[in-house]
Amino acid sequence: SYDLTQPPSVAVSPGQAARITCSGDGLSRRLVYWYQQKPGQAPVMVIYDDNIRPSRIPERFSGSSSGTTATLTINGARVEDEGDYYCFFTDKSTNQGVFGTGTRVTVL
Amino acid sequence: EVQLVESGGAWVQPGMSLRLSCEASQFTFNDYAMHWVRQRPGKGLEWVSGISWNSGTEGYADSVRGRFTISRDNAKRSLHLQMNSLRPEDTALYFCAVDVKTRYLDWFGFSGMAVWGQGTMVTVSS
Repeated sequence: SYDLTQPPSVAVSPGQAARITCSGDGLSRRLVYWYQQKPGQAPVMVIYDDNIRPSRIPERFSGSSSGTTATLTINGARVEDEGDYYCFFTDKSTNQGVFGTGTRVTVL
Repeated sequence: EVQLVESGGAWVQPGMSLRLSCEASQFTFNDYAMHWVRQRPGKGLEWVSGISWNSGTEGYADSVRGRFTISRDNAKRSLHLQMNSLRPEDTALYFCAVDVKTRYLDWFGFSGMAVWGQGTMVTVSS
C-alpha cells in the first residue's frame, strides 16, 4: 500500500495564501481529492479530480498535481478556513483508498 | 440534498462482531459507489472499504481485510459494514460516504468521497 505525506501544520495570516502539499509515489497518474474537516464535523470535499472545485466551495480553493505531488492552495485564506485538510486517492490496481497524514491549517 | 445516516455503533468487547448500516436518501443510490471511512479518537482519516454501484467490486484496507465485509442493498438504499473479530484498534467514528462519480463515469470501481454522513461510534474495549 502507499503512503501520502503532508506537512503536519501550516500557519498563515488572513489574506495570505496557504499551500498544502501531498506527496507519495502512488500519486503519479492518479486523481487526487482534498477534504476539509473542522472540529466535531464530518469532512467536506473541497477539490476532486486534482483541480475541480465543487460548486459550493469558495473560489479561493484550488488544486494542482504534478508527478508525485499534489497541492491544495487557499488564496486569501480566512479564519473560517481553519481546520484539518486531507488528500486522498484510490489505487485502482488494488481497489484501496489512501488518505494523506493530514495538515492542520491555522489562520491568525 | 444528499442524506446519509449511519447507525449500529456500540460498545463491544474484543473479538465480538458488529454490523453498521447507512441509510441513504435524496439521490439515486444505485448510481453510485459507496465508502466507509473511520477516524480513531484524535487521529486522522482512514479509508476502510468501498463498494461499486452493483457490488461487483469491493475493496478493503489491509487493516480490516478478512475481518470486515461491505455490502449494499440497492432496493433498500442501504449500505452495511459487517465487522467481525473486533480489536481495540478498531475503536473509531465510522462514516459512510457516497462516491463522487456515477456508475457511468466509473463503472467498475470507486473514486473519492463526495458527501459524508455524521458517523457512528464504535468502541472496542474490555
